[in-house]
Amino acid sequence: EVQLLQSGGDLVTPGGSLRLSCEASGFTFSSHAMNWVRQAPGKGLEWVSVIYGGGSSTAYAESVKGRFTVSRDNSRNAVYLQLSRLTTEDTAVYYCAKGWFSGGWYIGDYFDYWGQGSLVIVSA
Amino acid sequence: SFDLTQPPSVSVALGQTATITCAGDNIGSKNVHWYQQKSGQAPVLVIYRDNHRAAGVPERVSGSNSGNTASLTIAGAQAGDEADYYCHVWGDTWVFGGGTKLTVL
Repeated sequence: EVQLLQSGGDLVTPGGSLRLSCEASGFTFSSHAMNWVRQAPGKGLEWVSVIYGGGSSTAYAESVKGRFTVSRDNSRNAVYLQLSRLTTEDTAVYYCAKGWFSGGWYIGDYFDYWGQGSLVIVSA
Repeated sequence: SFDLTQPPSVSVALGQTATITCAGDNIGSKNVHWYQQKSGQAPVLVIYRDNHRAAGVPERVSGSNSGNTASLTIAGAQAGDEADYYCHVWGDTWVFGGGTKLTVL
């Protein structure tokens, strides 16, 4: 059974930093892209970042580029999102989501499993 | 970036058919995926690559995609179908539609 267990959400002051974690089980972790998706209160889903299986290829939404860093540790079956220079606009529930495709980038990929979410509140 | 437009809300009578649309420029050339999100829960995959049902999704749920519009259709709507639904495509980056709140009356 695939499971994605998230941790790390917290209340942070503007300009601060935070690291989110997502621990995976039930599949060959190193073969799959892992994504981060966020949802501001009362709003829709916004894709944030992706990291591919080997860990060397990543991509970010323009809204977080240069402030957030995604990484993974395949020996621990974990993916991380380092959030820096946070603003109130970053307040959201952050989800990790597993890419279905077992390989690199694939145009037909989709997110077949999601974590339970981590709440990040940026407030003074 | 690629824009996806969904109606903010759709209402359907119990037992009737609901259709949620997702509009985008030539979206018919893309793979469209759909997620259901119930209140306070994480999203769940419903339809992948236009018209393939995810595991455990009943046959009364279907998807289609052509031209500038993709659609998610829920036949015989039940109270348990009340949720927000999001379409999702690859458009140089991953893009989600704004979401549609389905209300079953």
